[in-house]
Amino acid sequence: GESVGLHLPTLSVQEGDNSIINCAYSNSASDYFIWYKQESGKGPQFIIDIRSNMDKRQGQRVTVLLNKTVKHLSLQIAATQPGDSAVYFCAGLVSADKLIFGTGTRLQVFP
Amino acid sequence: DSGVTQTPKHLITATGQRVTLRCSPRSGDLSVYWYQQSLDQGLQFLIQYYNGEERAKGNILERFSAQQFPDLHSELNLSSLELGDSALYFCASSVVRDINSGEQYFGPGTRLTVT
Repeated sequence: GESVGLHLPTLSVQEGDNSIINCAYSNSASDYFIWYKQESGKGPQFIIDIRSNMDKRQGQRVTVLLNKTVKHLSLQIAATQPGDSAVYFCAGLVSADKLIFGTGTRLQVFP
Repeated sequence: DSGVTQTPKHLITATGQRVTLRCSPRSGDLSVYWYQQSLDQGLQFLIQYYNGEERAKGNILERFSAQQFPDLHSELNLSSLELGDSALYFCASSVVRDINSGEQYFGPGTRLTVT
């Protein structure tokens, strides 16, 4: 079947540390992935995407890693800041036009 | 501010009623997507329109329908409302047709409460 999920509902990190948020997916959700950030009371915000022909993609302070062998992707946030506190969703593309979202990980940054 | 606007911000209505949610995409964006976010189902893709035509369909109930008008704004119609339809409804827009070709920008959402 098609599924995209996240490993941990909550992740707490200290300000300045690196954060790693994980996501697993099923066979059919494997062509294209997006990471979204959703702050309280707001709509999701695109962070970074990656296609299945890539293993790694970097943005500003963020890196997404895709491991197709174990069907796993991760979002790494460098030097985590209080403004990074939010719920993070991974989403995978199934059937060329339908996005499946994971359940989300709440990232809490403490001083 | 993403540039996508949604009205109303909040909506409270009774079971069996019908409501219309409205979305104005970012200037220049041709694609509009509708999503539902609820506590038990999470974020779910409902439907996409591109330049006035239905492009993709997700988990949209038959009681729900949408359209995109010539000025590119979109409306999501929810009818015969049930308690389980209570959720946040997001609209997103992008300039491209294909979901894997460009960034989507989300609006602030409409919170629907069915009592």
